[in-house]
Amino acid sequence: AQRVTQPEKLLSVFKGAPVELKCNYSYSGSPELFWYVQYSRQRLQLLLRHISRESIKGFTADLNKGETSFHLKKPFAQEEDSAMYYCALSGYNDYKLSFGAGTTVTVRA
Amino acid sequence: GAGVSQSPSNKVTEKGKDVELRCDPISGHTALYWYRQRLGQGLEFLIYFQGNSAPDKSGLPSDRFSAERTGESVSTLTIQRTQQEDSAVYLCASSLAILAGVGGELFFGEGSRLTVL
Repeated sequence: AQRVTQPEKLLSVFKGAPVELKCNYSYSGSPELFWYVQYSRQRLQLLLRHISRESIKGFTADLNKGETSFHLKKPFAQEEDSAMYYCALSGYNDYKLSFGAGTTVTVRA
Repeated sequence: GAGVSQSPSNKVTEKGKDVELRCDPISGHTALYWYRQRLGQGLEFLIYFQGNSAPDKSGLPSDRFSAERTGESVSTLTIQRTQQEDSAVYLCASSLAILAGVGGELFFGEGSRLTVL
């Protein structure tokens, strides 16, 4: 079974401060992890995927198979980062994408 | 169209009525997903289509829920005899890749907000 846990429902940080969104997963096979983001009045969209090892809008995420985690980090938060963030999990060669409950991030000036 | 289109955007219905929600995926996208999002909760997987075939209906909450897809085009999610617990935002997403696990990006619609009185 696939399960994604985002322990923080709400996260508030000051502009310029680091931000880290936690994501833990449970999956018996080889996991593929993603972060999706929903900005105010916009559609849910892909932010980044671990397979690409990319940094998008200053965000990075490292897959730690030992700790079964895929935390999202940004060293200096900006006000435009305020949004709802979802961690998502699929398996290699799998179609099903399971989402966590989401974390609402508010960046204060 | 440029993106995934869902209709209606809002639907208020009375308990016991049937509702039909429609999704127009991005042209050429083989994979189509339906998710449900209850207030304050995450996305709950309902069903996945590969073309017009639905290999996984495991997320459908009850036999009151059904979905179909015409070719690699429009999909319809039908809820019969609606109950108050069906109130939620129903999200549709499509993907060019059949397998999300090989990096297939899901493109989401804006959702259909269903309120059952």
